[in-house]
Amino acid sequence: DTAVSQTPKYLVTQMGNDKSIKCEQNLGHDTMYWYKQDSKKFLKIMFSYNNKELIINETVPNRFSPKSPDKAHLNLHINSLELGDSAVYFCASSQDKGPSSYNSPLHFGNGTRLTVT
Amino acid sequence: QQPVQSPQAVILREGEDAVINCSSSKALYSVHWYRQKHGEAPVFLMILLKGGEQKGHEKISASFNEKKQQSSLYLTASQLSYSGTYFCGTEYGNEKLTFGTGTRLTIIP
Repeated sequence: DTAVSQTPKYLVTQMGNDKSIKCEQNLGHDTMYWYKQDSKKFLKIMFSYNNKELIINETVPNRFSPKSPDKAHLNLHINSLELGDSAVYFCASSQDKGPSSYNSPLHFGNGTRLTVT
Repeated sequence: QQPVQSPQAVILREGEDAVINCSSSKALYSVHWYRQKHGEAPVFLMILLKGGEQKGHEKISASFNEKKQQSSLYLTASQLSYSGTYFCGTEYGNEKLTFGTGTRLTIIP
């Protein structure tokens, strides 16, 4: 019954490694997102996809590469991990692609806590 | 540009009321409000679109003042379950939701 699920929940890895986070939603939504929440709790958008098409690509290092194989899945691959990448990464989905409609509330996954040592 | 929330933190006794403000330096198209409990995901509370409307959700309501470029979240007769960090999210016509700085609300018995 989980609406937006992400795996893994925790990820501990060393600097320089490559890792992936997976996200799936069963809400039938058209738009999916990756948000990063840092240690100060700031929630910042990284990417969004609408029907598998990239529509938002914030100023994120190109070590981060999202992939959407279909509209229910959005994965995040991170190359050459750095200490500053440590954060909680949230996947989210919404029905509409713009925030200004009643169909645009974000449904968040439970987050992946990434710790880079 | 990130909207600014005030206060940054507030402690209330059960049954007291609180107001959380979200201010922007640019014109707003919409405002979302979310609550995040410690170690959990943000949960949607309500959305307000242009038009100065007030929406309600149980004892939690919000207003949107386009002229002042701000929104306020009102929590009345607070319950222990209201504890958490509240975020506003704003859109500036660029189809992106930009979250505010957050307000940590603690309710004590």
